[in-house]
Amino acid sequence: DVKVTQSSRYLVKRTGEKVFLECVQDMDHENMFWYRQDPGLGLRLIYFSYDVKMKEKGDIPEGYSVSREKKERFSLILESASTNQTSMYLCASNRWGATDTQYFGPGTRLTVL
Amino acid sequence: AQSVAQPEDQVNVAEGNPLTVKCTYSVSGNPYLFWYVQYPNRGLQFLLKYITGDNLVKGSYGFEAEFNKSQTSFHLKKPSALVSDSALYFCAVRDRGQAGTALIFGKGTTLSVSS
Repeated sequence: DVKVTQSSRYLVKRTGEKVFLECVQDMDHENMFWYRQDPGLGLRLIYFSYDVKMKEKGDIPEGYSVSREKKERFSLILESASTNQTSMYLCASNRWGATDTQYFGPGTRLTVL
Repeated sequence: AQSVAQPEDQVNVAEGNPLTVKCTYSVSGNPYLFWYVQYPNRGLQFLLKYITGDNLVKGSYGFEAEFNKSQTSFHLKKPSALVSDSALYFCAVRDRGQAGTALIFGKGTTLSVSS
């Protein structure tokens, strides 16, 4: 089975802190994604990566950056957390092909105070 | 631009009755279509996908979905709902020419099954 893990299920941070969310997949997938999920807005793509050290902006990249130094790991960074970044963050991965299913991690619920 | 619409925020059905969760899509080319389910405070779980071939796709937990190209729809169905089916359901699409890109998701439909 594909396994996508995220470093924390729940996280509480203060405004202005630098926050790291880590995601690891064990299936040698090329593509990895970060979404945020908010009630009534569905899933919105923040960034994705199709290869090591490669990244593409999604629909809402402002206030976020990413890092992919190894194929299995994709990190989301909030350089200076703000209260409007309080959300559920979901990581996903899949193989390169357009038919391939995206597999999701369990999510990190981030609260910024 | 690609998009997915789930016209109902919530669907309520009684246990044992058939259920339908609606999804329509818009892509420039031919679509690959997916359904996911999310239980509270969990990630999304894959249910089924349409790639090609038979318009009726069968997936996990007794769910199925019907691809209708003329109506650009991909509705999720189940003949007999269970209380445990209560969850948030997402429809998603990817254009066939867009390998390596993310799925585009609808806003989700909450399914509530009463006993």
